[in-house]
Amino acid sequence: KQEVTQIPAALSVPEGENLVLNCSFTDSAIYNLQWFRQDPGKGLTSLLLIQSSQREQTSGRLNASLDKSSGRSTLYIAASQPGDSATYLCAVRRPPYNQAGTALIFGKGTTLSVSS
Amino acid sequence: DGGITQSPKYLFRKEGQNVTLSCEQNLNHDAMYWYRQDPGQGLRLIYYSQIVNDFQKGDIAEGYSVSREKKESFPLTVTSAQKNPTAFYLCASSALAGAGYEQYFGPGTRLTVT
Repeated sequence: KQEVTQIPAALSVPEGENLVLNCSFTDSAIYNLQWFRQDPGKGLTSLLLIQSSQREQTSGRLNASLDKSSGRSTLYIAASQPGDSATYLCAVRRPPYNQAGTALIFGKGTTLSVSS
Repeated sequence: DGGITQSPKYLFRKEGQNVTLSCEQNLNHDAMYWYRQDPGQGLRLIYYSQIVNDFQKGDIAEGYSVSREKKESFPLTVTSAQKNPTAFYLCASSALAGAGYEQYFGPGTRLTVT
């Protein structure tokens, strides 16, 4: 059974610091991996999507990497800002031939707090 | 303005009552999903649908029901059989071809049952 773990559960950093959020998964047979941001009481905003054949994706100050063989992904945030404060969720998509089709399996998230 | 809408944002019900949560998308996506989020638990899949008039149970389907009569709509009914219905409910959709199956989420409905 696929399990997704995110470490740390919470992280506090001063503004301007570079940081890394970690995500690990137990079954390397994934179709893709998606990083989301969630603000309190809100829905999820997709940040980056990495296909299983890709090693990394970049969007602005965000860079996500994927190592399928070791079951790991990292989300790198450069020059953090107070507006980056939110919960970051990692999710993997099961291959189409598995049960639950195209649904995602989520980690519990890392809550980031950036102080000014 | 494309996206996913969920209504209402907040919903309050008495124990023993059924309640239906609305989810509509105008992204022309084939697949739609319902997830439940509890504090410290992460998101868990309730039901999903990959095509109109077809849907499948997810990991925690007991006490819930869905319908998919139209491509753009996937309502979720929380029945009185659901033992712990108070939670944050999120609807999502994705294309099944192209775009890498990226999932998009609605703003959520917070259900409180007393």
